[in-house]
Amino acid sequence: ETVLMQSPATLSLSPGERATLSCRASQSVGSNYFAWYQQKPGQAPRLLIYGTSSRATGIPDRFSGSGSGTDFTLTINTLEPEDFAFYFCQQYESSPLTFGGGTKVEIK
Amino acid sequence: QVQLVQSGGEVKKPGASVKVSCKASGFTLSDYNYFMFWVRQAPGQGLEWMGTISPRSGSANYAPKFQDRVALTSDTSTDTVYMELTRLRSEDTAFYYCARTLSSGYYYGDFWGQGTLVTVSS
Repeated sequence: ETVLMQSPATLSLSPGERATLSCRASQSVGSNYFAWYQQKPGQAPRLLIYGTSSRATGIPDRFSGSGSGTDFTLTINTLEPEDFAFYFCQQYESSPLTFGGGTKVEIK
Repeated sequence: QVQLVQSGGEVKKPGASVKVSCKASGFTLSDYNYFMFWVRQAPGQGLEWMGTISPRSGSANYAPKFQDRVALTSDTSTDTVYMELTRLRSEDTAFYYCARTLSSGYYYGDFWGQGTLVTVSS
């Protein structure tokens, strides 16, 4: 099983700042097989990024994904008030599908 | 537009079973391009994959942790998939989500249901 470790657990930032979220895999993941989701309290996850760096439909370009092998990053440029939420990474190259434990981006 | 609407919350006693439905609209489950998966999220916790089903064929694969307790089924005539979890215990208290994914091996969830809270309590 590919374990995904996200860091930091909590990121305290102000609107307008840049957020950099990390996800480290216990084994190499192909770049076509990595995704990021946003989840707000009481809501279902929303797909942000798939294939490491492709934005899902309707996702603003301030969200970007990068990485390869075991290290992946989600960057949110110029945080907007609606971006304060939880973020989860996922690998879908191998079974079982696995998700990271999440990073909470909170207002400082 | 694509929507996945799940059934309402359930309260069950330990040892019972629960069956959650997920009705699709805006696309058809007969479309060979799509599979459906289920994940759960315990309160304040991360996401845990339970299994994936091909609605068109009815074949499913399951996470080892749930292999002997979960069953995913589909009814393409009503564009609905179901997740049944048996022998419930308190640790199964969680939100359960269905999500649409691609059949091509790229198993990310592009559309999600609103979630169903299952509470297991004596």
